[in-house]
Amino acid sequence: LAKTTQPISMDSYEGQEVNITCSHNNIATNDYITWYQQFPSQGPRFIIQGYKTKVTNEVASLFIPADRKSSTLSLPRVSLSDTAVYYCLVGDDRDKIIFGKGTRLHILP
Amino acid sequence: GAVVSQHPSRVICKSGTSVKIECRSLDFQATTMFWYRQFPKKSLMLMATSNEGSKATYEQGVEKDKFLINHASLTLSTLTVTSAHPEDSSFYICSAGTSGSSYNEQFFGPGTRLTVL
Repeated sequence: LAKTTQPISMDSYEGQEVNITCSHNNIATNDYITWYQQFPSQGPRFIIQGYKTKVTNEVASLFIPADRKSSTLSLPRVSLSDTAVYYCLVGDDRDKIIFGKGTRLHILP
Repeated sequence: GAVVSQHPSRVICKSGTSVKIECRSLDFQATTMFWYRQFPKKSLMLMATSNEGSKATYEQGVEKDKFLINHASLTLSTLTVTSAHPEDSSFYICSAGTSGSSYNEQFFGPGTRLTVL
């Protein structure tokens, strides 16, 4: 499984766009990039997944450059409720997931 | 989306007792479920893979005799913490994937907070 590196924490303000970048220099050809969100005392929640270029859903966008060695999760116009830990995962295993340290995002009023 | 439940959501027990935690996939069948443990301010740590109808596969460093896993049906996996001690106090989370899920897409339960006195 490719190792990922994310900032430990980030602060932002309500209404701002937040971009969290994840490095995965050893990503393999078959690997997908997946992001999860976790609120305190809750299980993680799937946010978005991509393989290359850009993916967008109702919650976020995921930008993946051509070399796929990094990816950026973009949260548009964040609110206080977006305060959570965000995990970037890389792998081709349809089942097993190994979590890294994640990014603790704190949204300020 | 697929729903995974856990029971109980919170349990407090005395040191030396055993505690059983249930994980259920409510609207889909899961041949494989996963158990994680999470300490405060830390990431999730995969403990074991629960396989329906066969023995669980434990991650390195996880005592299989301490954390008993049973996957008796396609919708239920149980984790029993045997002879619990205060250091076993943690947040335990299970997950499962559906046959139609994409890579690394797992549905997680709400977690069970175990406190051992």
